[in-house]
Amino acid sequence: DAGITQSPRHKVTETGTPVTLRCHQTENHRYMYWYRQDPGHGLRLIHYSYGVKDTDKGEVSDGYSVSRSKTEDFLLTLESATSSQTSVYFCAISDGAGKNTGELFFGEGSRLTVL
Amino acid sequence: AQKITQTQPGMFVQEKEAVTLDCTYDTSDPSYGLFWYKQPSSGEMIFLIYQGSYDQQNATEGRYSLNFQKARKSANLVISASQLGDSAMYFCAMRSPGNTPLVFGKGTRLSVIA
Repeated sequence: DAGITQSPRHKVTETGTPVTLRCHQTENHRYMYWYRQDPGHGLRLIHYSYGVKDTDKGEVSDGYSVSRSKTEDFLLTLESATSSQTSVYFCAISDGAGKNTGELFFGEGSRLTVL
Repeated sequence: AQKITQTQPGMFVQEKEAVTLDCTYDTSDPSYGLFWYKQPSSGEMIFLIYQGSYDQQNATEGRYSLNFQKARKSANLVISASQLGDSAMYFCAMRSPGNTPLVFGKGTRLSVIA
């Protein structure tokens, strides 16, 4: 199994507070992703990274920022959490499509509740 | 833009029977990859099977096979001899050329009945 850890795994916070989710990998994979999962929506891409300090927006990036200062860490920040950001957040990594199928390996997810 | 459609929100299948989960996709790129993931009730995402757009044969992995019909833009997952442990959410996903992120469908919840 790919070494991916997400922290925290569960968090309850209040509207307006900042929240940072961390994704840490031990696989030295180049690509890292943040998705959110909501009932009826499947998984939707928030932001992704294709290298240290190289990031790009996904489908649902509003209200989120990311940073990747090291290969192994990808941080997702909610500057001011809102109730609509209550969700399960998944980090995923990939070695890229050129080396094999390029499938994503997922972390265990972080459940965020914004009250 | 790429799009994945899974039209079956939920399905039931009898244990030991085969089941097909539908997936259609939309892309204008000639090169792409199609993926299926399983998410059991415990929540983790498990990669099941991959099909490349230029692959001549349908992908198979144990009891999983992918019925790839390129002209119809469909990539249905077939699970043979269903087991109770197959009860889960199943997601179809697609990648366009290069290392673009995967786009996921909304998923199908499969329930296997004893």
